[in-house]
Amino acid sequence: DGGITQSPKYLFRKEGQNVTLSCEQNLNHDAMYWYRQDPGQGLRLIYYSQIVNDFQKGDIAEGYSVSREKKESFPLTVTSAQKNPTAFYLCATAMLGRNSGDIQYFGAGTRLSVL
Amino acid sequence: AQTVTQSQPEMSVQEAETVTLSCTYDTSENNYYLFWYKQPPSRQMILVIRQEAYKQQNATENRFSVNFQKAAKSFSLKISDSQLGDTAMYFCAFMKRNNNDMRFGAGTRLTVKP
Repeated sequence: DGGITQSPKYLFRKEGQNVTLSCEQNLNHDAMYWYRQDPGQGLRLIYYSQIVNDFQKGDIAEGYSVSREKKESFPLTVTSAQKNPTAFYLCATAMLGRNSGDIQYFGAGTRLSVL
Repeated sequence: AQTVTQSQPEMSVQEAETVTLSCTYDTSENNYYLFWYKQPPSRQMILVIRQEAYKQQNATENRFSVNFQKAAKSFSLKISDSQLGDTAMYFCAFMKRNNNDMRFGAGTRLTVKP
């Protein structure tokens, strides 16, 4: 079954704890992205990666970290430095190149709450 | 920096009728894409329609069409023959061509009433 898989669907974080959100894709897309969605707001870019072992900060990278060791995987760690982590997190992927249309495809999301 | 504005936080429409959602954006770029994404209660983001800025012809996908006014920086979405399954949040988004920085509006919550 092709697509983008985010896990877990729901995640709870205790104060001072780091948690990791998983994003896996089998679409063979080059680029992967992490967005945060808060109520009443659109999506905001946290990090993105165009190739393995390389990634770039988005507008709200503080308190988050990522890795891209494999093309298929782009996990997001919410660190204890992120003081307001409660939000809905969306992972997206995109082909790159002239014929890609720059279209991003999204996973089903992870809802993170603080205990 | 590019900004995207959706001035209608909520809208409703009767089933089978037509509704138009507004979106304006601010950019100095000439080469870019515009998108409408739908987010139903499942919260999965689904691409509805995409417009390339260099194309004057408005994009159409079945019941969904856009009115792209480049000079006015306006990109409205028209949904014809509204269906109950169209009930969702709709997000307008802007992205420079070959750039990873997609900017989203705050969204419009559309309710289709039976």
